[in-house]
Amino acid sequence: EVQLVESGGGLVQPGGSLRLSCAASGFIFSDHHIDWVRQAPGKGLEWVGRIRNTANSHTTDYAASVKGRFTISRDDSKNSMYLQMNSLKTEDTAVYYCAKVDTYGNWFDFWGQGTLVTVSS
Amino acid sequence: DIQMTQSPSSVSASVGDRVTIACRASQGISNWLAWFQQKPGKAPKLLIYAASSLHSGVPSRFSGSGSGADFTLTISSLQPEDFATYYCQQANSFPITFGQGTRLEIK
Repeated sequence: EVQLVESGGGLVQPGGSLRLSCAASGFIFSDHHIDWVRQAPGKGLEWVGRIRNTANSHTTDYAASVKGRFTISRDDSKNSMYLQMNSLKTEDTAVYYCAKVDTYGNWFDFWGQGTLVTVSS
Repeated sequence: DIQMTQSPSSVSASVGDRVTIACRASQGISNWLAWFQQKPGKAPKLLIYAASSLHSGVPSRFSGSGSGADFTLTISSLQPEDFATYYCQQANSFPITFGQGTRLEIK
């Protein structure tokens, strides 16, 4: 059974940093791209970024709204990926989901349960 | 960036009704489109990928159609568990973008 479990969310002040983790199981982690998608309270879904699989050298892409502030990394030996968030803004407040990218297209076939990040003074 | 526009933003329907939700892309995306269902407090779930392919385990009352820039999600006979918010997502190019969502409510 595919499982993705996020952790690391919490309350942080504007300008602060936070690191989210996503632990995966039930599939060959190193073979798959993994993305972060977020959802502000009461709002829609916003793509945050991607880290590609080992075959694609773990390259990354980011949304313009987070580029230069957020960094995605992964440790295939631990079946885990991470989202380092720096210079946080109040508008970064959201539930952050990690999502497995399907083999055949840029859609998300499995999602974690999400972790809430609140940026507030 | 490719903008995705869903219509309507909300719809009220009854159990057993047939419901159609539309999604329009700001440029052609071939069939690189997915549909998701999200219930309050839960993660989205994949329903349809490649515009018309049913994800494993999804009931056959859900179907998708379209290509290019115009797509539809149809629920043939609404069940109580189908009342949720639905999102389309373009998978054609970065940045990946979602529609604003369609809230399906009980009439």
